[in-house]
Amino acid sequence: GAGVSQSPSNKVTEKGKDVELRCDPISGHTALYWYRQSLGQGLEFLIYFQGNSAPDKSGLPSDRFSAERTGGSVSTLTIQRTQQEDSAVYLCASSLALGAGDEQFFGPGTRLTVL
Amino acid sequence: GENVEQHPSTLSVQEGDSAVIKCTYSDSASNYFPWYKQELGKGPQLIIDIRSNVGEKKDQRIAVTLNKTAKHFSLHITETQPEDSAVYFCAASAASGGSYIPTFGRGTSLIVHP
Repeated sequence: GAGVSQSPSNKVTEKGKDVELRCDPISGHTALYWYRQSLGQGLEFLIYFQGNSAPDKSGLPSDRFSAERTGGSVSTLTIQRTQQEDSAVYLCASSLALGAGDEQFFGPGTRLTVL
Repeated sequence: GENVEQHPSTLSVQEGDSAVIKCTYSDSASNYFPWYKQELGKGPQLIIDIRSNVGEKKDQRIAVTLNKTAKHFSLHITETQPEDSAVYFCAASAASGGSYIPTFGRGTSLIVHP
């Protein structure tokens, strides 16, 4: 069946511009997660959704970052006034629920380059 | 919060050798420990996991061991093959605010030479 998809796969933008990254989770998965992966680093947790609700936004690096999820499905991560340090691979994952041991299925990621 | 340390950052082995990757964690409340494999250009994929009530788990050529007292867990790959070459991440998670958000290690780049 279809896995988690993300678009675009690559995004090059100029410093100061806004970007929007999209995630389509696996159908029926209620939990959705966004991570950031910088070169040589682990996965930095950004935000998660249970349905359309994001109970904890403390992982977002700054107020330039925001995310929303509509219809319990598609999610968008928006970065306003991009900076060079925002360059990274942004990964989205979904899981059936939020319980321990609920496997997270990752998308291929969006590679963001801020010039 | 949880802190996960992973070693080594790079591991180079000959085909057929064994590979071991080690992780330590700080939060004694952590009770779920997944391992992910990430191939180039792809997202991480779960390969094996272990819970705190189990000391060892094996799936064909891969195994994971957990020592809760010492707060460390390890991934063992036997009879390595070139297709095992990838970046491996360990993670630890515990319930926090009703959710289980894993904390990841920095990853180990495994290179298997034919």
